[in-house]
Amino acid sequence: RKEVEQDPGPFNVPEGATVAFNCTYSNSASQSFFWYRQDCRKEPKLLMSVYSSGNEDGRFTAQLNRASQYISLLIRDSKLSDSATYLCVVNPSSGGYQKVTFGTGTKLQVIP
Amino acid sequence: DAGVTQSPTHLIKTRGQQVTLRCSPISGHKSVSWYQQVLGQGPQFIFQYYEKEERGRGNFPDRFSARQFPNYSSELNVNALLLGDSALYLCASSKGSRHGELFFGEGSRLTVL
Repeated sequence: RKEVEQDPGPFNVPEGATVAFNCTYSNSASQSFFWYRQDCRKEPKLLMSVYSSGNEDGRFTAQLNRASQYISLLIRDSKLSDSATYLCVVNPSSGGYQKVTFGTGTKLQVIP
Repeated sequence: DAGVTQSPTHLIKTRGQQVTLRCSPISGHKSVSWYQQVLGQGPQFIFQYYEKEERGRGNFPDRFSARQFPNYSSELNVNALLLGDSALYLCASSKGSRHGELFFGEGSRLTVL
């Protein structure tokens, strides 16, 4: 089983739609979780951290389910500019360093 | 403030050659980590350095090595290049050693012929 698994997509959705991505992780001791966004041929950039209580940033909502070992990202009212690859990131750090593990990414294409 | 800078941005090498990639972290960041991203995949962790010490190593062969300098910049070296080493090599810096946001450079795109 991969350490971090994502549906690669692509997810093709119309503008204004709501779309959700899930990501599962295998290491139950993982301590921190993130969603990064990567535009085509660009570097990844932090979209949001994922907290146990769930967190929201505008149209974006992230949730963590430790019991089932998955995190989710919900995007409401999709914009054309949301088209990108969304990377799930898990940091199993317990030894004083960052050995973050990225998922393969989920590609989102928002269609006019 | 300048972000993470990497050089060179693109390079072409042939099998068996050696390559050195360079990274300058954001001012004040003491941690630098390196990732390899093959087309269609997520970045894979190669190394992390914090305060000039190796703090983590991913599942890469010994042909891959790195170091961090007193000014916190870093170099990634790859010896005896293989075709499969063709990838985007990303450097990321962060303030601390364990958690927190990673800030990525634009990467060095290596092609091995």
